[in-house]
Amino acid sequence: AQKVTQAQTEISVVEKEDVTLDCVYETRDTTYYLFWYKQPPSGELVFLIRRNSFDEQNEISGRYSWNFQKSTSSFNFTITASQVVDSAVYFCALSESYNNNDMRFGAGTRLTVKP
Amino acid sequence: DGGITQSPKYLFRKEGQNVTLSCEQNLNHDAMYWYRQDPGQGLRLIYYSQIVNDFQKGDIAEGYSVSREKKESFPLTVTSAQKNPTAFYLCASSIDTTSGNTIYFGEGSWLTVV
Repeated sequence: AQKVTQAQTEISVVEKEDVTLDCVYETRDTTYYLFWYKQPPSGELVFLIRRNSFDEQNEISGRYSWNFQKSTSSFNFTITASQVVDSAVYFCALSESYNNNDMRFGAGTRLTVKP
Repeated sequence: DGGITQSPKYLFRKEGQNVTLSCEQNLNHDAMYWYRQDPGQGLRLIYYSQIVNDFQKGDIAEGYSVSREKKESFPLTVTSAQKNPTAFYLCASSIDTTSGNTIYFGEGSWLTVV
């Protein structure tokens, strides 16, 4: 069965620090998709990135970057020069090859960025 | 603006009552979903619908019911049979249920049993 583990329950950093959120997944499929979502205090989950299992190229979007390593089954998320507005709960999710109704979410990591 | 609208944002229910959470989307998506979120846990799927007049149970469907009479709407009813209904409920949609299609979420509804 597929599984997503976000071992860091809570992280607290001071503004401008870099921070990495870990995500480890388990799947028997060779084709799968990984996602990161941000949940600010308002509650809505905001889509950040999608990555398919055949694309291991790391991605950078502004202060955000993602490191996908199939060898360690990890899809980690780094925020560079963190800001107070980055404070939120971040979820990693996995969808296997057949359909989205079996998408599995990690328990989330609560990030607090202090001024 | 395109998006997913959930209402109400906050809802209080007395024990033994049924309540219905509304979800409307104008993204022209075929697939819609309901998730439940409890503190410190990830999202768990309650029900999903791939197309109008069709819906399927997710992992924790007991005590819940849904309908999909229109493409835009997917209301969730929390029945009195749900033993622990206090939670945050998220409605979502995607183009279809094919794996890899991004799922987009509404702002959620807080349900509290009093």
